[in-house]
Amino acid sequence: DAGITQSPRYKITETGRQVTLMCHQTWSHSYMFWYRQDLGHGLRLIYYSAAADITDKGEVPDGYVVSRSKTENFPLTLESATRSQTSVYFCASSDPGDSTEAFFGQGTRLTVV
Amino acid sequence: RKEVEQDPGPFNVPEGATVAFNCTYSNSASQSFFWYRQDCRKEPKLLMSVYSSGNEDGRFTAQLNRASQYISLLIRDSKLSDSATYLCVVLDTGTASKLTFGTGTRLQVTL
Repeated sequence: DAGITQSPRYKITETGRQVTLMCHQTWSHSYMFWYRQDLGHGLRLIYYSAAADITDKGEVPDGYVVSRSKTENFPLTLESATRSQTSVYFCASSDPGDSTEAFFGQGTRLTVV
Repeated sequence: RKEVEQDPGPFNVPEGATVAFNCTYSNSASQSFFWYRQDCRKEPKLLMSVYSSGNEDGRFTAQLNRASQYISLLIRDSKLSDSATYLCVVLDTGTASKLTFGTGTRLQVTL
């Protein structure tokens, strides 16, 4: 199916574990983003990528790692999960050559216990 | 100071009412502006772009005042289905397509 998909949709993990959230888009959009959404903070940018092999930090990158070996995939890894990383994570993509509209995945609800 | 600020609400209005949301942004070099809508526990989706000349889409009107760094969204004849959180979004120059979101304003339309 065309679009942007995230997996898993729900995840419970323990403090200290490594966990990877997956994001896949089928439009070949050049830009991809990871946001986290928490009550009182809205959507905050964690990392973004302008193209394959190009990534950059956003507002709240500490504790996260990203990679982008292929245009369509942009996984987000929590190296050692902490309770403060309990959040809803949204992946998004956009193509500035076409329009600046960002399309979001359905989100991953992560709970760190 | 946050880059994009909104009144969090909630705004509780009856069906048929007109409601206005405001947003301010701090980066004078910001390039493009948008309103996104987010339903409960769903992903944000683009509602409309905002242009300096103002633009309208049905019951929705968006305005931009660059001098005051202020964006607004007006919803006329509110419907129950308009209940959602409305996110003010700014695209910054120099970091193309890096969108910065406000915390959102929650709207609840009631019978």
